[in-house]
Amino acid sequence: AQTVTQSQPEMSVQEAETVTLSCTYDTSESDYYLFWYKQPPSRQMILVIRQEAYKQQNATENRFSVNFQKAAKSFSLKISDSQLGDAAMYFCAYRSSYGNQFYFGTGTSLTVIP
Amino acid sequence: NAGVTQTPKFQVLKTGQSMTLQCAQDMNHNSMYWYRQDPGMGLRLIYYSASEGTTDKGEVPNGYNVSRLNKREFSLRLESAAPSQTSVYFCAISPRDRAGNTIYFGEGSWLTVV
Repeated sequence: AQTVTQSQPEMSVQEAETVTLSCTYDTSESDYYLFWYKQPPSRQMILVIRQEAYKQQNATENRFSVNFQKAAKSFSLKISDSQLGDAAMYFCAYRSSYGNQFYFGTGTSLTVIP
Repeated sequence: NAGVTQTPKFQVLKTGQSMTLQCAQDMNHNSMYWYRQDPGMGLRLIYYSASEGTTDKGEVPNGYNVSRLNKREFSLRLESAAPSQTSVYFCAISPRDRAGNTIYFGEGSWLTVV
């Protein structure tokens, strides 16, 4: 099974600053998808951004962008101009193109300091 | 979380009692999942169902059974609850295709076993 590792259990950032959350994964596949999900205190899981492995261009969604390094199996999330509402648990996830399972990391708890 | 409905949202059980968590979707997706979320452990897959009538074990299936009677519904049963099963349980759905579509979560069910 694929493994997803988030090595930062907790991170903090000043409001309006930029923060990067790390994620690495282990796979022997060449075709797959990567995701970042946000889980605020309400526990609702919200899709932040998605990256297709076959695309070299890094995905961007407003203030959220990724740095996808396929050879290094790294998929970090950059949050620019951090806002108080960005405070949440963030999960990195992997999905194979050939199967139905999603594999999640253990999460990074992000605190935004006013 | 529109499209995935979990019941109940909160439940307290005594050790040895049984209960069933219900999940229903209205998005007509093939794949359905049950995850549990525990502090520091992220989301761990209990069981999943690729289509109606099929189920497969995930990472932590012991102590659970599932039933996928139709395309809409996927239930999770605890036959003899144990304190180690105290957790937040999430039902999720996803299209079964190669487009890498995301996974959609229900709002979660808080289960406490005393």
